[in-house]
Amino acid sequence: GAGVSQTPSNKVTEKGKYVELRCDPISGHTALYWYRQSLGQGPEFLIYFQGTGAADDSGLPNDRFFAVRPEGSVSTLKIQRTERGDSAVYLCASSLGGRESRYFGPGTRLTVL
Amino acid sequence: GENVEQHPSTLSVQEGDSAVIKCTYSDSASNYFPWYKQELGKRPQLIIDIRSNVGEKKDQRIAVTLNKTAKHFSLHITETQPEDSAVYFCAASIVDDKIIFGKGTRLHILP
Repeated sequence: GAGVSQTPSNKVTEKGKYVELRCDPISGHTALYWYRQSLGQGPEFLIYFQGTGAADDSGLPNDRFFAVRPEGSVSTLKIQRTERGDSAVYLCASSLGGRESRYFGPGTRLTVL
Repeated sequence: GENVEQHPSTLSVQEGDSAVIKCTYSDSASNYFPWYKQELGKRPQLIIDIRSNVGEKKDQRIAVTLNKTAKHFSLHITETQPEDSAVYFCAASIVDDKIIFGKGTRLHILP
Protein backbone atom coordinates (compact mmCIF):
# COMPACT_ATOMS: atom_id res chain seq x y z
CA GLY A 1 0.00 0.00 0.00
CA ALA A 2 0.96 3.68 -0.07
CA GLY A 3 3.55 4.97 2.33
CA VAL A 4 3.42 8.02 4.55
CA SER A 5 2.74 11.14 2.52
CA GLN A 6 3.30 14.78 3.41
CA THR A 7 2.14 18.00 1.83
CA PRO A 8 3.38 20.36 0.71
CA SER A 9 6.82 19.06 -0.22
CA ASN A 10 8.20 22.59 -0.02
CA LYS A 11 6.88 25.68 1.74
CA VAL A 12 8.43 29.12 1.58
CA THR A 13 6.96 31.74 3.88
CA GLU A 14 7.84 35.07 5.39
CA LYS A 15 8.79 35.68 8.98
CA GLY A 16 5.70 36.14 11.13
CA LYS A 17 3.34 34.14 8.93
CA TYR A 18 1.28 31.09 9.89
CA VAL A 19 1.88 27.70 8.22
CA GLU A 20 0.21 24.30 8.26
CA LEU A 21 1.98 21.08 7.32
CA ARG A 22 -0.02 17.93 6.62
CA CYS A 23 0.79 14.28 7.18
CA ASP A 24 -1.14 11.28 5.83
CA PRO A 25 0.03 8.15 7.66
CA ILE A 26 -0.03 4.62 6.33
CA SER A 27 -3.60 3.34 6.46
CA GLY A 28 -4.33 1.62 9.76
CA HIS A 29 -1.34 3.06 11.59
CA THR A 30 -2.48 4.31 14.98
CA ALA A 31 0.74 5.97 16.06
CA LEU A 32 1.99 9.14 14.37
CA TYR A 33 5.14 11.12 15.06
CA TRP A 34 6.40 14.54 14.00
CA TYR A 35 10.11 15.26 13.77
CA ARG A 36 12.18 18.21 12.62
CA GLN A 37 15.52 17.79 10.86
CA SER A 38 18.02 20.58 10.35
CA LEU A 39 20.86 20.26 7.86
CA GLY A 40 23.50 17.78 9.00
CA GLN A 41 21.55 16.74 12.08
CA GLY A 42 19.46 13.78 13.12
CA PRO A 43 15.69 14.05 13.31
CA GLU A 44 14.55 15.86 16.47
CA PHE A 45 11.36 14.62 18.14
CA LEU A 46 8.46 17.07 18.32
CA ILE A 47 5.22 15.24 19.19
CA TYR A 48 3.71 11.74 19.23
CA PHE A 49 0.04 10.81 18.75
CA GLN A 50 -1.58 7.54 19.71
CA GLY A 51 -4.94 7.69 18.00
CA THR A 52 -6.42 11.16 18.31
CA GLY A 53 -4.61 12.23 21.42
CA ALA A 54 -1.12 13.66 21.83
CA ALA A 55 0.63 11.08 24.00
CA ASP A 56 3.83 13.10 24.26
CA ASP A 57 4.33 16.70 23.12
CA SER A 58 7.50 17.31 25.08
CA GLY A 59 9.51 18.05 21.94
CA LEU A 60 7.50 21.05 20.78
CA PRO A 61 9.94 23.95 21.13
CA ASN A 62 7.42 26.58 22.28
CA ASP A 63 3.75 27.52 22.16
CA ARG A 64 4.00 28.68 18.54
CA PHE A 65 3.94 25.01 17.57
CA PHE A 66 0.77 22.94 17.76
CA ALA A 67 -0.38 19.69 16.16
CA VAL A 68 -3.74 17.98 15.81
CA ARG A 69 -5.04 14.61 14.66
CA PRO A 70 -8.80 14.97 15.05
CA GLU A 71 -9.90 11.67 13.51
CA GLY A 72 -6.90 9.55 14.35
CA SER A 73 -5.54 9.52 10.81
CA VAL A 74 -4.34 12.71 9.09
CA SER A 75 -2.33 15.10 11.24
CA THR A 76 -1.57 18.78 10.82
CA LEU A 77 1.40 20.56 12.35
CA LYS A 78 0.69 24.26 12.82
CA ILE A 79 3.32 26.93 13.32
CA GLN A 80 2.32 30.46 14.26
CA ARG A 81 4.42 33.61 13.86
CA THR A 82 7.15 31.72 12.01
CA GLU A 83 10.78 32.62 12.66
CA ARG A 84 13.85 32.07 10.49
CA GLY A 85 15.05 29.46 12.99
CA ASP A 86 11.99 27.34 12.18
CA SER A 87 13.48 26.58 8.75
CA ALA A 88 14.07 22.83 8.53
CA VAL A 89 12.65 19.67 7.04
CA TYR A 90 9.59 18.54 8.99
CA LEU A 91 9.23 14.77 8.94
CA CYS A 92 6.23 12.68 9.84
CA ALA A 93 6.37 8.98 10.69
CA SER A 94 3.72 6.40 11.50
CA SER A 95 3.54 2.90 12.93
CA LEU A 96 0.93 0.23 13.66
CA GLY A 97 1.42 0.99 17.31
CA GLY A 98 4.12 2.16 19.62
CA ARG A 99 5.69 -1.29 19.64
CA GLU A 100 6.05 -1.47 15.88
CA SER A 101 8.53 -0.10 13.36
CA ARG A 102 8.14 3.53 12.37
CA TYR A 103 8.09 4.59 8.72
CA PHE A 104 8.88 8.12 7.59
CA GLY A 105 7.28 10.34 5.00
CA PRO A 106 9.31 12.38 2.50
CA GLY A 107 9.15 15.52 4.63
CA THR A 108 8.15 19.13 4.09
CA ARG A 109 11.02 21.55 3.59
CA LEU A 110 10.03 24.77 5.34
CA THR A 111 11.95 27.93 4.54
CA VAL A 112 11.21 31.08 6.50
CA LEU A 113 12.57 34.20 4.83
CA GLY B 1 15.42 11.93 29.08
CA GLU B 2 17.17 9.64 26.64
CA ASN B 3 20.42 10.72 24.99
CA VAL B 4 21.99 8.82 22.08
CA GLU B 5 25.63 9.28 21.11
CA GLN B 6 26.86 8.02 17.74
CA HIS B 7 30.41 7.48 16.43
CA PRO B 8 32.11 8.13 14.14
CA SER B 9 30.54 11.15 12.49
CA THR B 10 32.23 10.27 9.20
CA LEU B 11 33.49 6.91 8.00
CA SER B 12 35.25 5.99 4.77
CA VAL B 13 35.79 2.36 3.83
CA GLN B 14 37.05 0.63 0.73
CA GLU B 15 34.41 -1.10 -1.35
CA GLY B 16 34.12 -4.69 -0.20
CA ASP B 17 35.37 -3.99 3.31
CA SER B 18 33.20 -3.87 6.43
CA ALA B 19 31.85 -0.79 8.18
CA VAL B 20 30.96 -0.50 11.85
CA ILE B 21 29.00 2.31 13.48
CA LYS B 22 28.66 2.46 17.24
CA CYS B 23 26.07 4.07 19.50
CA THR B 24 25.50 4.45 23.20
CA TYR B 25 22.32 5.38 25.02
CA SER B 26 21.65 6.75 28.47
CA ASP B 27 18.21 5.51 29.54
CA SER B 28 18.36 1.92 30.78
CA ALA B 29 14.59 1.67 30.17
CA SER B 30 15.09 1.94 26.39
CA ASN B 31 14.23 -1.34 24.72
CA TYR B 32 13.85 -0.63 21.00
CA PHE B 33 16.80 0.30 18.76
CA PRO B 34 16.19 1.06 15.07
CA TRP B 35 18.72 2.06 12.43
CA TYR B 36 17.86 4.37 9.56
CA LYS B 37 19.64 5.10 6.29
CA GLN B 38 19.17 8.50 4.71
CA GLU B 39 20.34 9.40 1.23
CA LEU B 40 20.75 13.03 0.26
CA GLY B 41 17.40 14.76 0.04
CA LYS B 42 15.46 11.61 0.86
CA ARG B 43 13.49 10.36 3.84
CA PRO B 44 15.09 8.21 6.52
CA GLN B 45 14.57 4.54 5.64
CA LEU B 46 14.36 1.89 8.33
CA ILE B 47 16.99 -0.73 7.53
CA ILE B 48 16.98 -2.89 10.64
CA ASP B 49 15.82 -2.75 14.23
CA ILE B 50 16.43 -4.75 17.37
CA ARG B 51 14.51 -5.14 20.59
CA SER B 52 16.07 -5.64 23.97
CA ASN B 53 15.16 -9.31 24.27
CA VAL B 54 17.80 -10.25 21.67
CA GLY B 55 21.52 -9.53 21.47
CA GLU B 56 22.04 -9.75 17.72
CA LYS B 57 20.01 -9.62 14.52
CA LYS B 58 21.11 -10.13 10.92
CA ASP B 59 19.58 -9.28 7.57
CA GLN B 60 21.80 -10.22 4.63
CA ARG B 61 24.86 -7.90 4.78
CA ILE B 62 23.59 -5.95 7.76
CA ALA B 63 23.78 -6.94 11.41
CA VAL B 64 23.08 -5.17 14.67
CA THR B 65 24.39 -6.08 18.10
CA LEU B 66 23.10 -4.89 21.46
CA ASN B 67 24.82 -4.90 24.83
CA LYS B 68 22.19 -3.81 27.37
CA THR B 69 24.58 -3.96 30.30
CA ALA B 70 26.96 -1.49 28.68
CA LYS B 71 24.16 0.38 26.90
CA HIS B 72 25.95 -0.01 23.56
CA PHE B 73 24.61 -1.05 20.18
CA SER B 74 26.33 -1.28 16.82
CA LEU B 75 25.58 -1.58 13.12
CA HIS B 76 27.80 -3.80 10.99
CA ILE B 77 27.72 -3.70 7.18
CA THR B 78 29.78 -6.38 5.42
CA GLU B 79 30.95 -6.49 1.78
CA THR B 80 30.17 -2.81 1.36
CA GLN B 81 28.91 -1.56 -2.00
CA PRO B 82 28.75 1.94 -3.53
CA GLU B 83 25.01 2.11 -2.85
CA ASP B 84 25.72 1.82 0.87
CA SER B 85 27.03 5.41 0.81
CA ALA B 86 24.58 7.48 2.87
CA VAL B 87 24.04 8.91 6.34
CA TYR B 88 23.14 6.32 8.95
CA PHE B 89 21.25 7.15 12.16
CA CYS B 90 20.93 5.01 15.23
CA ALA B 91 18.06 5.60 17.62
CA ALA B 92 16.66 4.38 20.90
CA SER B 93 13.25 4.42 22.50
CA ILE B 94 11.09 3.04 25.19
CA VAL B 95 8.61 1.19 23.03
CA ASP B 96 5.30 3.05 22.81
CA ASP B 97 7.19 6.31 23.04
CA LYS B 98 9.27 8.65 20.91
CA ILE B 99 12.48 7.59 19.17
CA ILE B 100 15.57 9.63 20.02
CA PHE B 101 18.12 9.78 17.23
CA GLY B 102 21.89 10.02 17.20
CA LYS B 103 23.56 12.74 15.15
CA GLY B 104 24.34 10.43 12.27
CA THR B 105 27.34 8.86 10.53
CA ARG B 106 28.19 9.81 6.97
CA LEU B 107 29.44 6.63 5.31
CA HIS B 108 31.56 6.91 2.15
CA ILE B 109 32.31 3.77 0.16
CA LEU B 110 35.54 4.29 -1.77
CA PRO B 111 35.98 2.63 -5.19
